[in-house]
Amino acid sequence: QKEVEQDPGPLSVPEGAIVSLNCTYSNSAFQYFMWYRQYSRKGPELLMYTYSSGNKEDGRFTAQVDKSSKYISLFIRDSQPSDSATYLCAMQQGGSEKLVFGKGTKLTVNP
Amino acid sequence: NAGVTQTPKFRILKIGQSMTLQCTQDMNHNYMYWYRQDPGMGLKLIYYSVGAGITDKGEVPNGYNVSRSTTEDFPLRLELAAPSQTSVYFCASSFGQGNGPQHFGDGTRLSIL
Repeated sequence: QKEVEQDPGPLSVPEGAIVSLNCTYSNSAFQYFMWYRQYSRKGPELLMYTYSSGNKEDGRFTAQVDKSSKYISLFIRDSQPSDSATYLCAMQQGGSEKLVFGKGTKLTVNP
Repeated sequence: NAGVTQTPKFRILKIGQSMTLQCTQDMNHNYMYWYRQDPGMGLKLIYYSVGAGITDKGEVPNGYNVSRSTTEDFPLRLELAAPSQTSVYFCASSFGQGNGPQHFGDGTRLSIL
């Protein structure tokens, strides 16, 4: 079993839809959970950064972490064409310098 | 706010040539990282540094070397370029363990022909 699993998609939705992106993981020692957005030919840009379980909201974006199920989600409300990008989940153990990334989900929001 | 700056943005090398990918950050971060990103394969850690003068291997270090003489700069060197090193290379930085996430540059696209 891979340490972090992420469905690569591609995922195509109409403008205004609610988007749900997910990752599962196997390492129960992960404590920090991140979502990065990567536009074509650009570097990953941090969207959400959470510690341990729970929800975090920032504008149209909500990150959820369920450590008991080893499952994290990113929800995008009222999706816009500008949200079209690849979304990467990333995780980190406490006390570790290293991030473990999912392979990314490519999202297209159609006007 | 420059953040993490990488140069060059694009480069084509011939097999056997050498080059240095430059990375500099202006956020006073202690930790710096080099990743490569291949299509459908996610980001893989090449080398990282927890401070000036300290470097360590990541997941895929073979064929690369790094140095960290200052807090701001973390160059990545390819000594004998091989086709397998064709990739997009990203540099990142952070304050360190549990002190915030990594911030990335916009990458160097490298082709070895």
